[in-house]
Amino acid sequence: DADVTQTPRNRITKTGKRIMLECSQTKGHDRMYWYRQDPGLGLRLIYYSFDVKDINKGEISDGYSVSRQAQAKFSLSLESAIPNQTALYFCATSDRQGSYGYTFGSGTRLTVV
Amino acid sequence: QKEVEQNSGPLSVPEGAIASLNCTYSDRVSQSFFWYRQYSGKSPELIMSIYSNGDKEDGRFTAQLNKASQYVSLLIRDSQPSDSATYLCAVNLSGNQFYFGTGTSLTVIP
Repeated sequence: DADVTQTPRNRITKTGKRIMLECSQTKGHDRMYWYRQDPGLGLRLIYYSFDVKDINKGEISDGYSVSRQAQAKFSLSLESAIPNQTALYFCATSDRQGSYGYTFGSGTRLTVV
Repeated sequence: QKEVEQNSGPLSVPEGAIASLNCTYSDRVSQSFFWYRQYSGKSPELIMSIYSNGDKEDGRFTAQLNKASQYVSLLIRDSQPSDSATYLCAVNLSGNQFYFGTGTSLTVIP
């Protein structure tokens, strides 16, 4: 099994719908992150969580919300999806120091029509 | 100014040549530095990390760090078509958050 698992892998949804992307990890890492990636814009941080009770906004949190249900689970919600949220979404984890880099999930390709 | 900057490329090199990828960062207290490889539509994969000035070699890959000049580079020797990907530079600022460059697209021409 993958260390960081994202579900679903692909999703097409309609404008205005609520959608949740899920991430679970077996790394035992405290820190979890949600990024989106768009062509030419690189990885942009949406939200991050340093532990279950510590959740922080990233640079592009508008239109998104998150929930850290447990150390191993971190979900991202789009309350009312819009077409410009069409992107590749990645969950990542790291230990407290970040000394060993991030471990990424395999990504969720989301299309909002 | 962005925290981490990379030339977007595309960079094209012939098979067997050395590919040189560069990255500059803005924060002098940055502690750790990483290179990720990302194939189209796939997740970034960590290929090198470096923490102190100088060179670090791993197989065909060499990471170079110069903290005084605030740059980190990645050399790929004997480039192969399978090395064709986007390479992301990442910098860990004070152990809190990573910043990623936008990536350099590399194409190795057979």
